[in-house]
Amino acid sequence: EPEVTQTPSHQVTQMGQEVILRCVPISNHLYFYWYRQILGQKVEFLVSFYNNEISEKSEIFDDQFSVERPDGSNFTLKIRSTKLEDSAMYFCASSIERDYGYTFGSGTRLTVV
Amino acid sequence: ELKVEQNPLFLSMQEGKNYTIYCNYSTTSDRLYWYRQDPGKSLESLFVLLSNGAVKQEGRLMASLDTKARLSTLHITAAVHDLSATYFCAVDIQGGSEKLVFGKGTKLTVNP
Repeated sequence: EPEVTQTPSHQVTQMGQEVILRCVPISNHLYFYWYRQILGQKVEFLVSFYNNEISEKSEIFDDQFSVERPDGSNFTLKIRSTKLEDSAMYFCASSIERDYGYTFGSGTRLTVV
Repeated sequence: ELKVEQNPLFLSMQEGKNYTIYCNYSTTSDRLYWYRQDPGKSLESLFVLLSNGAVKQEGRLMASLDTKARLSTLHITAAVHDLSATYFCAVDIQGGSEKLVFGKGTKLTVNP
């Protein structure tokens, strides 16, 4: 069964550093998303991406965050100048169309120290 | 703002018993999703419910959707230990953008 692949699985970074989280969505999917889950809490929407541009972003997704689809397969989330409160599990998801649901990747656990 | 509420948030049950998890949402929606999450793992899609009255079953789990009541249920029949996990419902806003709003999750523990 096709999968959404995320790398790395775990990243530790110092406060103030930049991190790039990488995702390879399912190849024929058109919609891409980033969500995050702070430990023990609910999953929160960050941003959706379609047709090479952001279609919606949440209040969390401020100027510190950016997304990019640098080539035909990768989808990245960049966090500039990380803060302690950015520590969370970040999930990438993709969808061919909403009626078929969303497939989530295995996540990147980001720890900011 | 769309709000999604699940209850209970914690559920401990014995093997063989039945129980229902409830998911209420605050605004009109025509798509509701159930996910399972094991500790430290990703979100596994269980059900996609697309219309009023939709009912789907997979093994010991059955999900239903009542869009008029803005309510979905996840019913567990004859629970087994392997069903222990956290279950999330998520709602997609009708006519809105493509994003999911999740409930807080129900942590289910099935005891032998």
